[in-house]
Amino acid sequence: AQSVTQPDIHITVSEGASLELRCNYSYGATPYLFWYVQSPGQGLQLLLKYFSGDTLVQGIKGFEAEFKRSQSSFNLRKPSVHWSDAAEYFCAVGADTGNQFYFGTGTSLTVIP
Amino acid sequence: EAGVAQSPRYKIIEKRQSVAFWCNPISGHATLYWYQQILGQGPKLLIQFQNNGVVDDSQLPKDRFSAERLKGVDSTLKIQPAKLEDSAVYLCASSSRPGTEAFFGQGTRLTVV
Repeated sequence: AQSVTQPDIHITVSEGASLELRCNYSYGATPYLFWYVQSPGQGLQLLLKYFSGDTLVQGIKGFEAEFKRSQSSFNLRKPSVHWSDAAEYFCAVGADTGNQFYFGTGTSLTVIP
Repeated sequence: EAGVAQSPRYKIIEKRQSVAFWCNPISGHATLYWYQQILGQGPKLLIQFQNNGVVDDSQLPKDRFSAERLKGVDSTLKIQPAKLEDSAVYLCASSSRPGTEAFFGQGTRLTVV
């Protein structure tokens, strides 16, 4: 069955520190992978996506993610976190051959001064 | 390009009442999703349309929830009668084709009292 796992429910980092949010997926077809961010009271905003090609993808707000097929992972990274990055982050998986769009349970990020 | 529009933004109703939400997707997007997001959880797919046909409604509580997408554009989601556990944010999203990136509206926050 298709699924997306985000092992970390909550992460706290200091402003200026590096960040890595984990995402593992299980999908029968070749996946399309996405990271979304949700600020309080807001809808979901797409940070970046992977369809094919270069496994390291760049997104908005200085985020990047790396697709590792062997590990079924698509971890999100940022070299230096800003206080405004505090939000909920969701990994999602879809596919060209599939119909559905699955979300993980999310990771809540707190940034401390 | 206009985004996904949803209304209302907030709704408070008493249990056993009915409520309807409206969504206008991005122009030209054939795929439309309705998600339910309970506080602290990831979005859960309720129903997916491709044009005006239902692709997946396996997680839609059909005894109380209904949705339609007349003419393959706007969509409405209805709950009748509402229960306390229906309190959540209802997100509408659209994409140009299934499995690719979905663009989200701001959501409707429903509180059932």
